[in-house]
Amino acid sequence: DQQVKQNSPSLSVQEGRISILNCDYTNSMFDYFLWYKKYPAEGPTFLISISSIKDKNEDGRFTVFLNKSAKHLSLHIVPSQPGDSAVYFCAASFGNEKLTFGTGTRLTIIP
Amino acid sequence: EAQVTQNPRYLITVTGKKLTVTCSQNMNHEYMSWYRQDPGLGLRQIYYSMNVEVTDKGDVPEGYKVSRKEKRNFPLILESPSPNQTSLYFCASSSRTSGRPDTQYFGPGTRLTVL
Repeated sequence: DQQVKQNSPSLSVQEGRISILNCDYTNSMFDYFLWYKKYPAEGPTFLISISSIKDKNEDGRFTVFLNKSAKHLSLHIVPSQPGDSAVYFCAASFGNEKLTFGTGTRLTIIP
Repeated sequence: EAQVTQNPRYLITVTGKKLTVTCSQNMNHEYMSWYRQDPGLGLRQIYYSMNVEVTDKGDVPEGYKVSRKEKRNFPLILESPSPNQTSLYFCASSSRTSGRPDTQYFGPGTRLTVL
């Protein structure tokens, strides 16, 4: 049973435009959500996170939105740059280090 | 430089031949974990360790063993590998003092092929 789902395996966005990556979860016990970015031949690296007590967190070009009632979170990248091309994983946890990952979305930024 | 290292990075082996993938971190982290990444399934946790001599099963532990005799090392052991263990493996570590999971650092990955 996939508790964290990323329904779009891939996404292509023009450079300079907004990229929106989506993630849905089913377990209402999750209280911390994260996005990881992965380049080929490298391990995932932490990008941004949000606690369930918030509905938005910003870090430069990256913003994560959390809609608890819909069990949905999204990552916005504005403006998109070629270096943002990577696979993005959302992940969730409930109060500890164990992460439950989604299946990933491959983002391609078109110059 | 803070890092998690894995060896080997690539391995091709045959069914039944025991192998060990090593993982080492230099950040004095208490928590270490192994994941496998498969197409369409994302990353799934195999085993984790809260500290030295403390290990526990993750979501997909069958066919794997781990040990945590030293804080910095967390090897993954496949006693009798099978083709369904062909995958990309990641080791990760984090500090438990923050109480949050966003300090988890990942190694570069080990691509294993079992023929």
